[in-house]
Amino acid sequence: QQQVKQSPQSLIVQKGGISIINCAYENTAFDYFPWYQQFPGKGPALLIAIRPDVSEKKEGRFTISFNKSAKQFSLHIMDSQPGDSATYFCAAYTRGFGNEKLTFGTGTRLTIIP
Amino acid sequence: DTAVSQTPKYLVTQMGNDKSIKCEQNLGHDTMYWYKQDSKKFLKIMFSYNNKELIINETVPNRFSPKSPDKAHLNLHINSLELGDSAVYFCASRKGGTSYNEQFFGPGTRLTVL
Repeated sequence: QQQVKQSPQSLIVQKGGISIINCAYENTAFDYFPWYQQFPGKGPALLIAIRPDVSEKKEGRFTISFNKSAKQFSLHIMDSQPGDSATYFCAAYTRGFGNEKLTFGTGTRLTIIP
Repeated sequence: DTAVSQTPKYLVTQMGNDKSIKCEQNLGHDTMYWYKQDSKKFLKIMFSYNNKELIINETVPNRFSPKSPDKAHLNLHINSLELGDSAVYFCASRKGGTSYNEQFFGPGTRLTVL
């Protein structure tokens, strides 16, 4: 059972375009939503994150939009560049008492073409 | 000055063998994790440790045995390796606490079982 659903699986965008990746979740216990970026041969690295009481967060060219009632959130990459080509994972964080954990989406392979 | 390091980076072995992967973090974090990333890039948590104590065991076969000799190290020993164990294994660490704190991932260990 996939608790965080991510789409699309792969995405090709022209340089300068907008890349959009969507995620949806079921578990209302999730209370923090980070996005991770992974380059080939490397570990995932935190890109941007949002709390559920905020509808949008922007950092440079990267924006998270969050819709709590629909239990959906998305990553927008403006002015996409070839260096943005990577696999992107949305994730959801479960708060606990020592057993906090991240549940990851299935990943989106983003390719930016010149 | 790598934050989270893993050894080895590549591991090729025969079915039935026993192998270990080592992880060290120099961030002063007290919570460490092992993740498995399969061929479809799906990232799934296997174990988490907090202050050397096992907190999360996500129904991983008992052929996998994590060991944390101290807060900075978390090793993974795998007995009787199977073909399905082939994957990339990532170690991660974070500062403990119930609030979300960024998880830092290591570079991964690619395990290939022949």
